[in-house]
Amino acid sequence: RKEVEQDPGPFNVPEGATVAFNCTYSNSASQSFFWYRQDCRKEPKLLMSVYSSGNEDGRFTAQLNRASQYISLLIRDSKLSDSATYLCVVTYTGRRALTFGSGTRLQVQP
Amino acid sequence: NAGVTQTPKFRVLKTGQSMTLLCAQDMNHEYMYWYRQDPGMGLRLIHYSVGEGTTAKGEVPDGYNVSRLKKQNFLLGLESAAPSQTSVYFCASSYSTVGYNEQFFGPGTRLTVL
Repeated sequence: RKEVEQDPGPFNVPEGATVAFNCTYSNSASQSFFWYRQDCRKEPKLLMSVYSSGNEDGRFTAQLNRASQYISLLIRDSKLSDSATYLCVVTYTGRRALTFGSGTRLQVQP
Repeated sequence: NAGVTQTPKFRVLKTGQSMTLLCAQDMNHEYMYWYRQDPGMGLRLIHYSVGEGTTAKGEVPDGYNVSRLKKQNFLLGLESAAPSQTSVYFCASSYSTVGYNEQFFGPGTRLTVL
């Protein structure tokens, strides 16, 4: 079983829609949580960190549920430019690098 | 600032050939990483370095070697390429990992081993 699991999608949504992705993690020694965005054939880039109390950045809202071991990303008022793969990322105590989920692909349609 | 750069961008090798991928960063970051990305697998850590002259194994180190002779460069070597090493390779760097610092990725190297 993968340590970080995501629904691969694709999620096909119309412009203006609200869409939510979930990510589950299996190791309780998790430390920090992030969402990265990866455009087609490009490198991953940090979208936002995920804080215990939940946090918002414009149209993007991230939430963490440590008890159930999942994090979520909500995108409101979807834009064509939001089309990308969204990678759930977790850091673990004692490990130097990031642990990535395999990503959820979003396609926003006109 | 160029950020993180990778050379080459594309490469095709035959089984058994060797090659070196070069990663360079101009952000004075201490930490550097090599990942590979395969369909449905996410990014997996191959090797990493916490400073000049130091390297350590990641999740999938077999078949690869690395060197960090200069702080700004991190080299990934394949001594005898195999088809299973066909992948997209990303280099990344960060200031540190204490309290987490954002990792910055290079544009990737697409490697095909025939």
